[in-house]
Amino acid sequence: QKEVEQDPGPLSVPEGAIVSLNCTYSNSAFQYFMWYRQYSRKGPELLMYTYSSGNKEDGRFTAQVDKSSKYISLFIRDSQPSDSATYLCAMSVGNAGNMLTFGGGTRLMVKP
Amino acid sequence: GAGVSQSPSNKVTEKGKDVELRCDPISGHTALYWYRQRLGQGLEFLIYFQGNSAPDKSGLPSDRFSAERTGESVSTLTIQRTQQEDSAVYLCASSPNSLETQYFGPGTRLLVL
Repeated sequence: QKEVEQDPGPLSVPEGAIVSLNCTYSNSAFQYFMWYRQYSRKGPELLMYTYSSGNKEDGRFTAQVDKSSKYISLFIRDSQPSDSATYLCAMSVGNAGNMLTFGGGTRLMVKP
Repeated sequence: GAGVSQSPSNKVTEKGKDVELRCDPISGHTALYWYRQRLGQGLEFLIYFQGNSAPDKSGLPSDRFSAERTGESVSTLTIQRTQQEDSAVYLCASSPNSLETQYFGPGTRLLVL
C-alpha cells in the first residue's frame, strides 16, 4: 500500500462547479501538506500548503487537513476550463523543505 | 524572476548508454531536489542537497544513479548504463532553504530504447 493514496480520476465537471479533490495517507508523522497543479508536459506548480490540521483559503481554492483522519482535501470553487490539469497532493515530515511524498495525482477536466 | 530550468527538455538514448541531466535552481536557493515521475504516476524522491551538508541520497533506486551539485548552483543527475525502466520525467526543484516549499522545473523527459 502506498503512503499517500489519491484517486487518479479522471474527474469531469461542468464549468462553474465546485470540485473536491482528496488524498489519504498512512504516515502520522506528516506535518506539511501541499497541493500542486501540473499541466500536461509541464512541471508541478505549487498551489497551496498548510501546516498540521485546519483550513486555508486562497481565492477560489481552499485546502483542508484532518490529521485525525489522515485525510486532506482541496476545493476549487467556480471551476474554469483553465483549471483542467492533474492535481498532486504532497506531504513532508518535519518541515516543508524535507523530501516530499506525493500522491499519484488526480486528473481534472472542466468542460465549458 | 527566472524559475528552475532543466536541460535537455527531452532525451532519447539507447539501453546501456550513460546520460547526464542538468538543473539550474532559482538564484539564491540553497536546497535542491531531484524527483522522478513515471508515466501516469506521482513523483518519487531521488536525492536532496542542502548547502554544504552531505546530500540525502536515500531515494536513489540503484548505484547506477548519482548526482552532484556545484556549491549552491547547478546540479547534474547522471544515470549510468541506462535501462528501459529508467524512462520517466526527471524533475528538479529548489527551495530558499530546508524549511520552505519547493518550486519545480519543467523536467527532462528521458526515453530509453
